Amino acid sequence: GENVEQHPSTLSVQEGDSAVIKCTYSDSASNYFPWYKQELGKGPQLIIDIRSNVGEKKDQRIAVTLNKTAKHFSLHITETQPEDSAVYFCAASYPNSGYALNFGKGTSLLVTP
Amino acid sequence: ETGVTQTPRHLVMGMTNKKSLKCEQHLGHNAMYWYKQSAKKPLELMFVYSLEERVENNSVPSRFSPECPNSSHLFLHLHTLQPEDSALYLCASSQERTGYYEQYFGPGTRLTVT
Repeated sequence: GENVEQHPSTLSVQEGDSAVIKCTYSDSASNYFPWYKQELGKGPQLIIDIRSNVGEKKDQRIAVTLNKTAKHFSLHITETQPEDSAVYFCAASYPNSGYALNFGKGTSLLVTP
Repeated sequence: ETGVTQTPRHLVMGMTNKKSLKCEQHLGHNAMYWYKQSAKKPLELMFVYSLEERVENNSVPSRFSPECPNSSHLFLHLHTLQPEDSALYLCASSQERTGYYEQYFGPGTRLTVT
């Protein structure tokens, strides 16, 4: 089945710096790659996603890049703020299972003032 | 609020109890999902329902029994659970069950099995 690896597991940055989280996937047929943010006591919330027909997508301070050849995708957060502190999950569609999502283990991001 | 609600938010049950988790989505979606979230592990897909028909069952033990009476409601019936079943159970919904469509998650039910 699909295997999604996510790194790093924890990341600490100073406010204003950039944060990068990377994921790799194993199934070359995967074609949808969302990123979720989970705050304490809440369910995961979709923050950005990318489909396999594009290489990059931006939404204000958040961007995602996709390299289909290398089978990896990354989340970039610029000008980080303390409210960006949360656990971030990447996911890849799982074609052999009706395109359900396979998730990475998560990255705990801490933005210090 | 994402439009997906779950009740109860917290549940403590003994191994011999029977309880049910409830999920309701107010988004007009036609696919619903149960996930299990344990510490230090990826979210694990348990069940998928599309148009009220179960289309996915990821080798989940029979002590977990899902029910989808209509496209807005999803239940997870629990009986004779084990301590290792303690986790956050998340419900999600999407317009279609393919990966092209965003999944919206509820806040989860924190389950503790004693």
